This record gives sequence, C-alpha cells and structure tokens, in this order.
Amino acid sequence: AQKVTQAQTEISVVEKEDVTLDCVYETRDTTYYLFWYKQPPSGELVFLIRRNSFDEQNEISGRYSWNFQKSTSSFNFTITASQVVDSAVYFCALSEASQGGSEKLVFGKGTKLTVNP
Amino acid sequence: SAVISQKPSRDICQRGTSLTIQCQVDSQVTMMFWYRQQPGQSLTLIATANQGSEATYESGFVIDKFPISRPNLTFSTLTVSNMSPEDSSIYLCSVDPRTGGYGYTFGSGTRLTVV
Repeated sequence: AQKVTQAQTEISVVEKEDVTLDCVYETRDTTYYLFWYKQPPSGELVFLIRRNSFDEQNEISGRYSWNFQKSTSSFNFTITASQVVDSAVYFCALSEASQGGSEKLVFGKGTKLTVNP
Repeated sequence: SAVISQKPSRDICQRGTSLTIQCQVDSQVTMMFWYRQQPGQSLTLIATANQGSEATYESGFVIDKFPISRPNLTFSTLTVSNMSPEDSSIYLCSVDPRTGGYGYTFGSGTRLTVV
C-alpha cells in the first residue's frame, strides 16, 4: 500500500529564514500524483501543488518551491524568506486508487511549521 | 476550481446522538469524498460518494455508523451516528479533481466535539 512519511513533526524558525519540509513516499504505481496542502489554524485545507509522477521538473511559485526526485522518492517543499503567515500544518499526500475505483489521497502525518517574528 | 460550502462549521453533541454534515459544491462533480481528521492526526478517507449509487467505504468504516447521501451532482451529506467521544474529529468533504479542478478541493471542515 501507498505510504507518505513526513519525518519532521514540528519545525520552528525565525521570520525570513528559509525552511524545507521533507516528504518521502512509497508506491508501486508507475503513475501517481503528489500533493502539498496547507492547513492553517482555522482548519481548512489549502491546495498548494499537484505533481505528476512523470514530471520531475522543480517548480517555483513565489516564495514556494518544490523538489521532486523519483530516485529518492522524495517531494520536498521549501519556503524562502518565511513569514509569520506561513505558520500552519503542511501535509504531503499521494494519490492511489480507492475502494470506489477513483483516486483517493493518502496523507502524511503533517509537519507543523511555526514562524516566529 | 470548485468551491465547496460545508456546514455546520462546528458542533458540540451529546453522546448517543447523530449529526448530519452537508457539503454543497458550486459545480457538478462526479465523485465526492469524505475524510476524517482526528485530533492532531492526519486525514483518513471514510468513503467515496458517487451520485446515483451507494457510497463505497474504506476499511474500518461502515455505513451504519457513517451513512452518506448523494442525491445529485452538487450535494452530499455525511451522518455521524450514535456518537461517542472517539468520534470527536474534523470531518471534511472533497471533490474529484478530474471534474472539480486541478487539485482536490476541500470544504472548510466540520469540527465535531462529542461530550
């Protein structure tokens, strides 16, 4: 079965520091999708990125960047020049087939990021 | 991407009672998903709801405990039945990215406390 490991339970940084959140996954599928979500204290899940297993190009979106390496089964997320508003729990997720025949997301346990002023 | 309205946003319920959570999507979607997030934990899929057919439940979840309705392509409900304190969680609905947008979109969640 698929598995997503986020080894960092909690990270605390000072504003303007760069921070990398690690994500390692396991799957037997050749085609799959990887996701990152942000969950601020209010509880909603905010979609950040979806990556196809065939696309290993790194992606940058503003202060956010993602490094996908199939050789190490990793999909790490870096926030550059962190801000207090980045404080949240970040989840990495992997798609797999559900009992209903469609995709479902398998989530890691999440990394709680605290950015201190 | 699709916008999901989920309600109630939170509730405190007595053990032994039931609570029905509603999700309304602003566009037609084929699949809707219901997840549970226990305190301090990750999200776990409860079931997949396809319009016009019975929901399909993941291992560890049963219809008697979590009945789901999917009367049309924009609406679904999840009922948490005969609640116990162990049911205290955040419940979230989500839509299939193939029809709802590029990434899975989630409702804002229902924070349930059972006392």
